[in-house]
Amino acid sequence: GESVGLHLPTLSVQEGDNSIINCAYSNSASDYFIWYKQESGKGPQFIIDIRSNMDKRQGQRVTVLLNKTVKHLSLQIAATQPGDSAVYFCAEITQGGSEKLVFGKGTKLTVNP
Amino acid sequence: KAGVTQTPRYLIKTRGQQVTLSCSPISGHRSVSWYQQTPGQGLQFLFEYFSETQRNKGNFPGRFSGRQFSNSRSEMNVSTLELGDSALYLCASSLANYNSPLHFGNGTRLTVT
Repeated sequence: GESVGLHLPTLSVQEGDNSIINCAYSNSASDYFIWYKQESGKGPQFIIDIRSNMDKRQGQRVTVLLNKTVKHLSLQIAATQPGDSAVYFCAEITQGGSEKLVFGKGTKLTVNP
Repeated sequence: KAGVTQTPRYLIKTRGQQVTLSCSPISGHRSVSWYQQTPGQGLQFLFEYFSETQRNKGNFPGRFSGRQFSNSRSEMNVSTLELGDSALYLCASSLANYNSPLHFGNGTRLTVT
């Protein structure tokens, strides 16, 4: 089996409920943030991004909130569906031309039917 | 438009061997990044290539190397494999414009025995 890994925060919700996934980022100089969804056996899938000059951005059923004062990001998923079950990662990048993303530890979302 | 393609999907090697992984980015994407994902360390940045040049490098030993070809396709190589190199290796591509998101492939699962 696999070795002991990261203790992933978990969130369990009922189908149809709204989900909120939180993330604390590390670098106050980071100016671009991305949320990814990773399903078992797949690579991270882009969900939504936000730039540091914004506080909120909405997509289809998803909203990202950015609080730069406390270095906090959140991802809100409306009307959560079983297909939303996955691990969600926030990632930050600092301006400089680099494509280096720094990922958070991830949150495992389970949607119960 | 085809996504990021990584080959092979699975690989089993023994300690001391070397391995080469391949990545074809999304058409038009000039930046290719590589990440290692393990249960213990999460997602960690390996390196990033743009126009055949390594632009950024993570904190991995010199056994990990990469290159990018003129068609933006990339390979990464790991020499003298160790058991701890067992991981999911993810490739991501982007347009490399300021604040353009990375798009990931489904990875190569490397097992070192």
